[in-house]
Amino acid sequence: QVQLVQSGAEVKKPGASVKVSCKASGYTFTSYDINWVRQATGQGLEWMGWMNPNSGNTGYAQKFQGRVTMTRNTSISTAYMELSSLRSEDTAVYYCARAPAWEWPIIRLDVWGKGTTVTVSS
Amino acid sequence: DIVMTQTPLSLSVTPGQPASISCKSSQSLLHSDGKTYLYWYLQKPGQSPQLLIYEVSSRFSGVPDRFSGSGSGTDFTLKISRVEAEDVGVYYCMQGIHLPPAFGQGTKVEIK
Repeated sequence: QVQLVQSGAEVKKPGASVKVSCKASGYTFTSYDINWVRQATGQGLEWMGWMNPNSGNTGYAQKFQGRVTMTRNTSISTAYMELSSLRSEDTAVYYCARAPAWEWPIIRLDVWGKGTTVTVSS
Repeated sequence: DIVMTQTPLSLSVTPGQPASISCKSSQSLLHSDGKTYLYWYLQKPGQSPQLLIYEVSSRFSGVPDRFSGSGSGTDFTLKISRVEAEDVGVYYCMQGIHLPPAFGQGTKVEIK
């Protein structure tokens, strides 16, 4: 079945970077964009950006420009999201979600990973 | 950026009774292709969001027919015809036509 399996929880110090992975299975990896959405505890959903696994093209929300990098390794059907210069406000659950690439720039998030908790604390 | 506004922010419903959630967008979600790109998601407690409704009124695979979506332009509604215990969680609307995609604040549905 279609799955997005994310890496485990991370604890980082302020100023550090974190890299979260999202491994896809059950479908053709390059046919769906990977989006990243985060959710602080008890808060709503915040879109961070997208990546096309076929071309490697990316687009980031203005808020994260300069701090976020989305990449992929097509040989292992895995997408990555790296966030740098971490601060306490970045403490959140980070989700990857796929969207049909042929519908871009329309974004329909149809399958989500279970999320990766990132805690930023000194 | 588009702003999505949901009402109410919380809802307590007796099992078997209907429920309705409103979502308004600050700009039209109607595309030149004639489709309207408004989605509804349910985040059950401790889980990731799951797609319920796409393009205003189409149910995603496996979604029970007690869920229905309606609306056009900037005003949308999600209805649950008869709420069941498994429907508890937070419901989000999302627009996917204008970058960046935006979510409503969420509506928490609980059972009385």
